[in-house]
Amino acid sequence: DIVMTQSPDSLAVSLGERATINCKSSQSVLYSSNNKNYLGWFQQRPGQPPKMLFYWASTRDSGVPDRFSASGSGTDFNLTINSLQAEDVAVYYCHQYFTSPYTFGPGTKLEI
Amino acid sequence: QVKLVESGGGLVKPGGSLRLSCAASGFSFSDQYMTWVRQAPGKGLEWISHINPSSVYTEYAGSVKGRFIISRDNSKNSVFLQMNTLKAEDTAVYYCVGGVAADYWGQGILVTVSS
Repeated sequence: DIVMTQSPDSLAVSLGERATINCKSSQSVLYSSNNKNYLGWFQQRPGQPPKMLFYWASTRDSGVPDRFSASGSGTDFNLTINSLQAEDVAVYYCHQYFTSPYTFGPGTKLEI
Repeated sequence: QVKLVESGGGLVKPGGSLRLSCAASGFSFSDQYMTWVRQAPGKGLEWISHINPSSVYTEYAGSVKGRFIISRDNSKNSVFLQMNTLKAEDTAVYYCVGGVAADYWGQGILVTVSS
């Protein structure tokens, strides 16, 4: 199984500042035939279901503010949130859908 | 808009069974992989099973393999999870999820396994 790790476990960032979360996979999630990374990012606000932020590692989902960005390839990925807003308080998960069983990272709790 | 509504959750004794259902609308259900993801209280997300659009392929996490069965009915835009031989560690909120990349999520339904 592909093991996903995230760092840090939690972080506190001031309003208006930048937050960066790292995700690593135990093996590459890059499919060479189409050059796509099978990696997604999700936001889960307290008491809510997860919401997709990015797929294919860096493609922003519809309606996601452009202060959210994502990058990376192979086994190393980042999620960056610029100009942090109060509504960004959540747990953020990365998720590989390269090979079954698909797996999630343990989550990173973002606080103000 | 996309809507996924889970039903069938509740309290069940260890060793018992439960069948979850998920009704989908607002997207082309018959073209999409469907997945069940669960979240134990205070814990992270755990992918547990998915099924391809034609029901030919199903996959399971090791923690549920041999006990849970996923199925779907494209004529009713519904996906199901038959859960057998339930254990206390199966206690979780179960989410119905659409799309191979987990694009769409339901609100989730609580399953509690306790005597």
